[in-house]
Amino acid sequence: EILLTQSPGTLSLSPGEGATLSCRASQSVTSRYLAWYQQKPGQAPRLLIYGALSRATGIPDRFSGSGSGTDFTLTISRLESEDFAVYYCQQYGNSTWTFGQGTKVEIK
Amino acid sequence: QLQLQESGPGLVKPSETLSLTCTVSGGSITSSTYYWGWIRQPPGRGLEWIGSFLYSGSTYYNPSLKSRVTISVDTSSNQFSLRLTSVTAADTAVYYCARIYNHYYFMDLWGKGTTVTVSS
Repeated sequence: EILLTQSPGTLSLSPGEGATLSCRASQSVTSRYLAWYQQKPGQAPRLLIYGALSRATGIPDRFSGSGSGTDFTLTISRLESEDFAVYYCQQYGNSTWTFGQGTKVEIK
Repeated sequence: QLQLQESGPGLVKPSETLSLTCTVSGGSITSSTYYWGWIRQPPGRGLEWIGSFLYSGSTYYNPSLKSRVTISVDTSSNQFSLRLTSVTAADTAVYYCARIYNHYYFMDLWGKGTTVTVSS
């Protein structure tokens, strides 16, 4: 089973600042099978990025994904108030899906 | 507009069986374009994949839950169900059903989730 480790656990930033979230896999992940989600309190997760770098429908271009192999990154170029949330990476491999433990982006 | 809606008891006693249903509207669960799955989230914690199926293919389960989980399909009602046996307090969580895009394996649509508490 491929494990995903996200860092940092919490990111304290101000609106307008940029955010860089990391997702590291215990073994190589096919880039096409790496996704990112945003979750706000009391809501279901929302798909942001799929295939490591493709934005889902309706996702603003301040969100971008990059990476390959075992290291993937979600970048938010300029944080807006609605971006403060928890972010999860997710991978598929060997007929199983796994999620990272999440990174919380909070207002500083 | 495709929608998913979870339903089932909000309270289950320890050692009993948790049963939930996901009703899909606006699209068919028999489509080969999508898997369908269950994910849960214990209070204050992260997401855990439970299991997924492709109607024309296989069903996959989280190895850590495999001995207790069954996902079944009712095409006449366009529903799929989750059955988790021998529950404990550790199974207390919000349970989500989701649509999963085949070939890329991301979850593009989610239900709103249903809270299940395991308690006597």
